[in-house]
Parts: sequence; C-alpha cells; structure tokens
Amino acid sequence: SQTIHQWPATLVQPVGSPLSLECTVEGTSNPNLYWYRQAAGRGLQLLFYSVGIGQISSEVPQNLSASRPQDRQFILSSKKLLLSDSGFYLCAWSGVQVNEKLFFGSGTQLSVL
Amino acid sequence: GENVEQHPSTLSVQEGDSAVIKCTYSDSASNYFPWYKQELGKRPQLIIDIRSNVGEKKDQRIAVTLNKTAKHFSLHITETQPEDSAVYFCAATGGSYQLTFGKGTKLSVIP
Repeated sequence: SQTIHQWPATLVQPVGSPLSLECTVEGTSNPNLYWYRQAAGRGLQLLFYSVGIGQISSEVPQNLSASRPQDRQFILSSKKLLLSDSGFYLCAWSGVQVNEKLFFGSGTQLSVL
Repeated sequence: GENVEQHPSTLSVQEGDSAVIKCTYSDSASNYFPWYKQELGKRPQLIIDIRSNVGEKKDQRIAVTLNKTAKHFSLHITETQPEDSAVYFCAATGGSYQLTFGKGTKLSVIP
C-alpha cells in the first residue's frame, strides 16, 4: 500500500533563516505531488504541485520554492523565512490521472519567530 | 478558476442528531467532489467522495449528495458521535490536478 512520509513534525525557526521540508512517497510510481499550507484556523492553500521529476508548478507567488529531485521526493524550501511563513505545511500525493484521490502527509507545524 | 463556498463555518449538534454541511461550486465542468475530515493538529483525511455521474453516495453514517444543475453538494452525518467533532472540508475539481477547497466547517458534537 502507499504511504507518505513528511518531516519534521514541528519546526521553530528565526526570521531570516532557511527552510527545508521533505516529503517522500512509497508504494507508487510517478505520483503527482503537492505542497499545501494551512494558516491557523484557515483553509488549505495550494502552494506547488509536480507531475514529474523537475516539473514544478507554482500556484501562489511567495517566499518559498519547491523541488522534485527524485520521482517520489518533494522538497519545500526557503532562503529566508518571514513571519508570515508560519503555518501548517502539508505534503500530499495523488495518482497520475486527473481527479484522483488526494492523500496528505502528517504535516509540519512551522513557527517563525 | 473554480470557487468553492462552504457553509456553515461552525456547526454544533447534540450527540445523536444529524449534521449537514453544504458547498457550492462555480465551474460547471467540475466532476469530482471529495470531503475531508481534519482533527486538531492532524492531517486532513478523505472520508467520502462523489463523481458527477452519481447523485448520492453513502458509507455507513456518512452520505454525500450532488446536484449538478444547482452546482451544490452536501455532506450528511447521521447519528453523530463525539468523535465526529472535527473540521470538515469540501473540495471540487474538473479535470485538473488542482483541488479547490472550501474554507472548512468546524463541527462540534455535544455529548
């Protein structure tokens, strides 16, 4: 069966520091991969999605970037964090067809201080 | 692009009563409508979904109905239990890789 791993679970970072969140998927090949952000008490905002290695689509202009160095690995990065980057970050995957079910990782609670 | 409106934002029900959450969408091409449940500090989990070729789908105490003409779909939870307390999100998509989510409904089931 397919599983998705995301780490770390919590992270406290000072303003201006870099960020790297990692996500890996097991049990499937060529998944679509996504990064979402959820501000406290808010909905789910799609940040990036990827349909293949090296292919990244950005949905929202921001201080973040994403990379997909391997088929089942998705990384969210920032060179310099802002206070507004605080939130709950969720990696997700779906199958390659459109309208496939979306499954989320366990999330990273990021606090930028 | 797609726009999904979800109501109500908060909902309190007595244990054993039914809960109904409604969503409307704007893109008539949308044909996949999932519902997610998110407990505090946890990941959203898919609880039920429906595709546009059916009008209703049930899974034990949970059901989803879809009205394509009116462009709205609803989540129905019967015989609510305290463990149903969570935030529920609806979503819609029509042939793209991007799900558009509603803003969520915080359901509280009062024992």
